[in-house]
Amino acid sequence: GAGVSQTPSNKVTEKGKYVELRCDPISGHTALYWYRQSLGQGPEFLIYFQGTGAADDSGLPNDRFFAVRPEGSVSTLKIQRTERGDSAVYLCASSSGRGGRGPTEEQFFGPGTRLTVL
Amino acid sequence: DAKTTQPPSMDCAEGRAANLPCNHSTISGNEYVYWYRQIHSQGPQYIIHGLKNNETNEMASLIITEDRKSSTLILPHATLRDTAVYYCIVIRTGTASKLTFGTGTRLQVTL
Repeated sequence: GAGVSQTPSNKVTEKGKYVELRCDPISGHTALYWYRQSLGQGPEFLIYFQGTGAADDSGLPNDRFFAVRPEGSVSTLKIQRTERGDSAVYLCASSSGRGGRGPTEEQFFGPGTRLTVL
Repeated sequence: DAKTTQPPSMDCAEGRAANLPCNHSTISGNEYVYWYRQIHSQGPQYIIHGLKNNETNEMASLIITEDRKSSTLILPHATLRDTAVYYCIVIRTGTASKLTFGTGTRLQVTL
C-alpha cells in the first residue's frame, strides 16, 4: 500500500522567500507529525495534528513557521521569509490515531523534503 | 520523557549479531522504550518497543533490564542493509506522542 509521501523531494530557494512543503499521510491516519532534521542530528519535532487541529505546536521555532491540515488528510508546512538556518530535511510522519491508553503508536515516516536556502 | 544515552557508533561484521545498548536510567513506570532506525537518505523506520518484558519481532529483539534503566536492541544476523542510525526513544503511554530523537548510534555493518 501507499506510504507517506512528501513533495517536493528537494527545494532550493533564496533567503527571504516563502516555501510550502506538502505531506500526504497514509490513508485513514488521523495523526500527522512534522519533524526537521539538520545534518548529523536526529529529527526534531515541530508540530503534531490530530485530525484538522494542531494538538501540539511546541516545536515550531518561531512565527515564520506555520502548518495546516484543513481536511484532516494532506498537510502543508509553510515557511515565510526563509533563512539559511532553515536549511534541513523536513520529515512528515503519520499514525492511525486510534490507540488507547497503551503504548504510543508506530509512526510511519515519509522520505522527507530537503530544503536548501541560499 | 526520559533522556537516553547511546554510543555514537558501532561496527558489526555481516552475519554476526549486532547488540546496540541504550541507557535510560531516569525512565518512569509508564514509559515505554522504542527503537527506530534511519537508513541513509530515508525517513526513520519503527523497529520494536517494550515496557519491561523482552520483546521479539521479525526485525529484532529488545532486552530490557529488570530495573528498566537500560536496554539492548539485538539484530541477530546483521546484513549490509542494516547499516543505519539507530535511535532509542523513551515515550510516555498515549495515543500519539511526539518522538524525541537523540543523535543515536551509527551502526556500520561490514563484510
